[in-house]
Amino acid sequence: EDKVVQSPLSLVVHEGDTVTLNCSYEVTNFRSLLWYKQEKKAPTFLFMLTSSGIEKKSGRLSSILDKKELFSILNITATQTGDSAVYLCAVIRGGSNYKLTFGKGTLLTVNP
Amino acid sequence: KAGVTQTPRYLIKTRGQQVTLSCSPISGHRSVSWYQQTPGQGLQFLFEYFSETQRNKGNFPGRFSGRQFSNSRSEMNVSTLELGDSALYLCASSFVPGQGAYSSYEQYFGPGTRLTVT
Repeated sequence: EDKVVQSPLSLVVHEGDTVTLNCSYEVTNFRSLLWYKQEKKAPTFLFMLTSSGIEKKSGRLSSILDKKELFSILNITATQTGDSAVYLCAVIRGGSNYKLTFGKGTLLTVNP
Repeated sequence: KAGVTQTPRYLIKTRGQQVTLSCSPISGHRSVSWYQQTPGQGLQFLFEYFSETQRNKGNFPGRFSGRQFSNSRSEMNVSTLELGDSALYLCASSFVPGQGAYSSYEQYFGPGTRLTVT
């Protein structure tokens, strides 16, 4: 069975801090890993990572994948209160089985 | 483009009843996936439909079923509701996964239907 483990489960930081969220996975026939941000509504897409070692960046957020060690990290620099959310990691299998397996998420709270 | 829409947004049912939830994907998206989200279990995959066919199914009992129509709209049905079915049910659409375009694996989520079973 596919498995996605995120750590930490929750994190409290102050505005301006840098945070690193972790996602490790075990999946048959790995295709891609996705990061989502969920506030009090539906998850919104952040990144999709398919190749090892290539950093994806969007503003203060960046993410990288290590397919050898089976993990990904999501970095947020200069955090703001608006970054407070649950960050979800999901993996997709390749082949004809299109199925996303999600981790339980990391709850990030950014205090002013 | 309009986003993914789900109806109803909130629902209260009693045990033993059945419920049907609806999802309209983003225009042009042909794949619709359903997820159940609870505080304890997180987001769990229910099933995925593409071109009116269920292509993949998660580990849920047969009380959970779905279908997709020719216009890609999808419905999910839960029969004989149990208290443990109380959850946020999310639908997500994507373009045409499995066709070689990596960007098509991006899923866009609807706002969800909050189901409470009493």
